[in-house]
Amino acid sequence: GESVGLHLPTLSVQEGDNSIINCAYSNSASDYFIWYKQESGKGPQFIIDIRSNMDKRQGQRVTVLLNKTVKHLSLQIAATQPGDSAVYFCAEIPTSGTYKYIFGTGTRLKVLA
Amino acid sequence: DAMVIQNPRYQVTQFGKPVTLSCSQTLNHNVMYWYQQKSSQAPKLLFHYYDKDFNNEADTPDNFQSRRPNTSFCFLDIRSPGLGDAAMYLCATSRDLAGAGTDTQYFGPGTRLTVL
Repeated sequence: GESVGLHLPTLSVQEGDNSIINCAYSNSASDYFIWYKQESGKGPQFIIDIRSNMDKRQGQRVTVLLNKTVKHLSLQIAATQPGDSAVYFCAEIPTSGTYKYIFGTGTRLKVLA
Repeated sequence: DAMVIQNPRYQVTQFGKPVTLSCSQTLNHNVMYWYQQKSSQAPKLLFHYYDKDFNNEADTPDNFQSRRPNTSFCFLDIRSPGLGDAAMYLCATSRDLAGAGTDTQYFGPGTRLTVL
């Protein structure tokens, strides 16, 4: 079946360092990808998205990279701060006409002081 | 500034006692979704409304129902909560359906449901 998965369930990063969170997807027809940040006890917060016609998209301190050849998505956070501590989910939106997001299992980012 | 609002943020109910969770949005989006999220898991879609059209996921138990009386509000009704229904319930909205090119989903803060 189609799935989106993350390589690392927990990532610990020193404050100030860069973080890279990875996501693998299996549906090569997917058109749209989103990264969400979910802090403890809160709903997922949109961080950044990317369409399949792009390889890279930058936001404020965050960059999403899409490698369609190997079906891999990554979220890079520059100068990681304590407030970045959260669970990060990737979501894949297929182009098959379905409305359904396919969420990855999530990676917990821990920022060490 | 809140765009997707959920009430209450925390709800405690007794086993078998019906409960209703509320979601409202100020975005005037066509689509509203309800998700169930258990600890350390990804959100699981229960159902969604496209305008007034209700779309149930095949694996959503009959115990879960929903109402959307107008564009802004959507309710999740759990008719007879069981212990296994304790979870975070997330409401989300999107301007249109995913796959239509307009579809980023914006989530509310969630309602944490405890079943005693």
